[in-house]
Amino acid sequence: ILNVEQSPQSLHVQEGDSTNFTCSFPSSNFYALHWYRWETAKSPEALFVMTLNGDEKKKGRISATLNTKEGYSYLYIKGSQPEDSATYLCANSGGYQKVTFGTGTKLQVIP
Amino acid sequence: NAGVTQTPKFRVLKTGQSMTLLCAQDMNHEYMYWYRQDPGMGLRLIHYSVGEGTTAKGEVPDGYNVSRLKKQNFLLGLESAAPSQTSVYFCASSYSGQGARNLEAFFGQGTRLTVV
Repeated sequence: ILNVEQSPQSLHVQEGDSTNFTCSFPSSNFYALHWYRWETAKSPEALFVMTLNGDEKKKGRISATLNTKEGYSYLYIKGSQPEDSATYLCANSGGYQKVTFGTGTKLQVIP
Repeated sequence: NAGVTQTPKFRVLKTGQSMTLLCAQDMNHEYMYWYRQDPGMGLRLIHYSVGEGTTAKGEVPDGYNVSRLKKQNFLLGLESAAPSQTSVYFCASSYSGQGARNLEAFFGQGTRLTVV
């Protein structure tokens, strides 16, 4: 994998459902993996930054895991709510300052 | 707290015109970045700076210049605008310290630029 790839591109879930997305990144020259939440008409906001293989982070109903050896991270949302509707961006710091973003997963939670 | 502020928020340019986008941050961050966001392309790094007086090229630097004369400001210039530079531009900044927490980027609200 040369670039950061996210799947799926978009997702519709019912309120109350749990969901997860995938971020794949080059496992060589890895420094950190970022997740950002981007609401329409706003700017991206950081959710998590993870650096260690096996890292797990949690913020409320949202959690993320990291596997640096195989080059992937999962973002989980438990009991999705309409306010979770946003685009979720993943980014890889290969070099210390060079952050490469994926194209995002657009989540819509249907009430 | 102001955080990261971009000006202007919207602009329409004619092909060949020049303009400067200003990014200001009040968090004493060392690192600052300019990205462009195009449909289906994600955020692509144009230029970045690791401190006052320093700049470096990112992924898509052609057609842009930057300057970081003061730590709190990062300017993005278009010398001769082209329709291909129609995009939404985001500025971001982050700390320079060690540790994952310090890598979080704080973004401005974006500048929507149309070149006709």
